[in-house]
Amino acid sequence: SQTIHQWPATLVQPVGSPLSLECTVEGTSNPNLYWYRQAAGRGLQLLFYSVGIGQISSEVPQNLSASRPQDRQFILSSKKLLLSDSGFYLCAWSVPGLAASYEQYFGPGTRLTVT
Amino acid sequence: GNSVTQMEGPVTLSEEAFLTINCTYTATGYPSLFWYVQYPGEGLQLLLKATKADDKGSNKGFEATYRKETTSFHLEKGSVQVSDSAVYFCALSREGAQKLVFGQGTRLTINP
Repeated sequence: SQTIHQWPATLVQPVGSPLSLECTVEGTSNPNLYWYRQAAGRGLQLLFYSVGIGQISSEVPQNLSASRPQDRQFILSSKKLLLSDSGFYLCAWSVPGLAASYEQYFGPGTRLTVT
Repeated sequence: GNSVTQMEGPVTLSEEAFLTINCTYTATGYPSLFWYVQYPGEGLQLLLKATKADDKGSNKGFEATYRKETTSFHLEKGSVQVSDSAVYFCALSREGAQKLVFGQGTRLTINP
C-alpha cells in the first residue's frame, strides 16, 4: 500500500531564516506531487505541483520554491522566511494517467510558525 | 473557469441530527467530484467520490450524489456523531487536468 510522509511535524523558525520541508511517498512510482498551504482557519492554497523529476509548476508567486530531486521526494524551501509564511503545509500525491479521476492523497502536514 | 462553492460554516449540530453540507460546482466537461474530511491537526482524508452523473459516493455513513442537472454534490449523513466534528472540503477534478479545485471548507461541530 502507498504511504506519504512529511517532516518535520512542527517547526518554529525566526523571520529571515531558511526553510526546508520534506515529503516522501512510498509504494508507488512516478506520482504527481503537490504542496499546499493552509493558513489558520482558511482553505487550501495550491503552491506547487510536479509531474516528474525536475518538473515543477508554481501556482502562486511567493517567497517559496520547490524541488523534486527524486521520483518520490518533494521538497519545499525558502531562503528567508516571512511572518506570512506561517501555516499548515500539506503534501499530497496522485496517480498519473487515470482518465476518470485524479483524487489526491494527503500527508499528515507540517505546522510552521514563523516568529 | 472551474470552481466549487460550499455552504458557509461553521455548522453546529447536536448528536444524532441529520447533516447536509451543500456543494455546487462550475466546470467544463464531466468532472469527478470528491468530499474530503480534515480532523483537527491532521491532513485531508478522502471521504467519498463520484466520477459520473447520478453516481452516489458513500463511506462511513456519509453519502453524496453527483447531480449534473443542478451541478451539485451535497454531503449528507442521517445521524451525526461527536467524532464527525471536522472540516469538510468539496472538490472537483476535470478530466485531463492534474489539479483539484477545492471549495473553501465547512467546519462542522457536533455537540453531545
